[in-house]
Formats: sequence, C-alpha cells, structure tokens
Amino acid sequence: DTEVTQTPKHLVMGMTNKKSLKCEQHMGHRAMYWYKQKAKKPPELMFVYSYEKLSINESVPSRFSPECPNSSLLNLHLHALQPEDSALYLCASSRGTSVGNEQFFGPGTRLTVL
Amino acid sequence: TQLLEQSPQFLSIQEGENLTVYCNSSSVFSSLQWYRQEPGEGPVLLVTVVTGGEVKKLKRLTFQFGDARKDSSLHITAAQPGDTGLYLCSTGANSKLTFGKGITLSVRP
Repeated sequence: DTEVTQTPKHLVMGMTNKKSLKCEQHMGHRAMYWYKQKAKKPPELMFVYSYEKLSINESVPSRFSPECPNSSLLNLHLHALQPEDSALYLCASSRGTSVGNEQFFGPGTRLTVL
Repeated sequence: TQLLEQSPQFLSIQEGENLTVYCNSSSVFSSLQWYRQEPGEGPVLLVTVVTGGEVKKLKRLTFQFGDARKDSSLHITAAQPGDTGLYLCSTGANSKLTFGKGITLSVRP
C-alpha cells in the first residue's frame, strides 16, 4: 500500500462546529504532516509528528488541534474556525524527518467555513 | 530558509509543444523534489534528484539537477492535456519542506 488517504474529501462547517479531519497511511512511515493550502499557492506546513510525537508546530492557532493516535493515523481537530480558515488541508507522510526524506501527500480535505 | 524561485509562473501551450521550466536558488540543495498537483488534489511526487548534474527521465518528462546543485529544470516533450497542473519544486531541511511558488501549466487540446 503506497497511499495516504484522507477523509472526508469535502467538509462544510459553521464557526461554532467541532469537526475532525482524518489521515491514514500503511507504508510504515514514522513522520506525518499537516499542511494548509490556499488556491494557487504552495502548501504551508502546520504540524510535524515524528514517531507519534509532535515535533513542529508552525505557530498554528489553537483552534487547530492535531492528534497522532498511532503511527498510521493522524487527526486534525477543528473548533471555532474562521471563514479565512477555508482551504485545502493536506496530510503527508515520510519514512523519517531527515533531509531528503520524500513526502507523500494525500488527496486533501476541502474545508469551507461558513 | 532556502528560497526557491520557479519560472515561469504561468504557461499556456498547445498540445504537442515542448517546454522547459525552472527552479532556482542561491543556496546549495542536498536534494530536490518535483511534484505535480491537479486542481482539488494533493501533490504527487514525480522525482527526487540528489547528485549534481543528474538527469532523470519519467516518460516524456526530463528532470535535470544543476552541477552546483543550486538549480533544476523540468523539460516536457510533446505536452499532453493530462500534463496540466501546478508544478512545485521543493527541498527539505530540519523536517520541513520548502516549496517554490509553483508553475501553473495549461496544455490546450
């Protein structure tokens, strides 16, 4: 299995809702990532997990809360989001976090905040 | 942070034409990746180049890494509408991937 899967594909939520994005990989990768991507821009790193521990938080607002239940799963919990948080949220994984480790991306979740 | 500059930013060509796009930096890369992203989808890894002067081919796509490992090019022969997408180059340091701004390629039938 050489795939990163993400659910849901699309999500529409109000500013008072709580929702979660899910990501899964079965490649035995030990690093997983969350990115945010706005239209026609490159992905922006949000969080990095290495061996199930949070290693990088790129000063992301606390309304985004990541969780790594095990080495194959990565969640992103969303609460009290703003309309400007609407974007494509991408999950990626890599064997490790050393330089040169190739990252493999999932198809993304298209999030719309009303 | 290594700054990656990609050019041209936008390119619209007719099916069957050849094209070359670039990824440049003033810094030396240990490795560099090229991704292609279609609208509404995640980036798909095309290639990783590591050695200065390296050339890698993927069907009609030819990737070259500069001798000094500061630049890379992607040449597409006989472009097809299926080549349409956002082409991103990236390089990694300290667990982070740095992306260029991307090249939006449109191939008209």
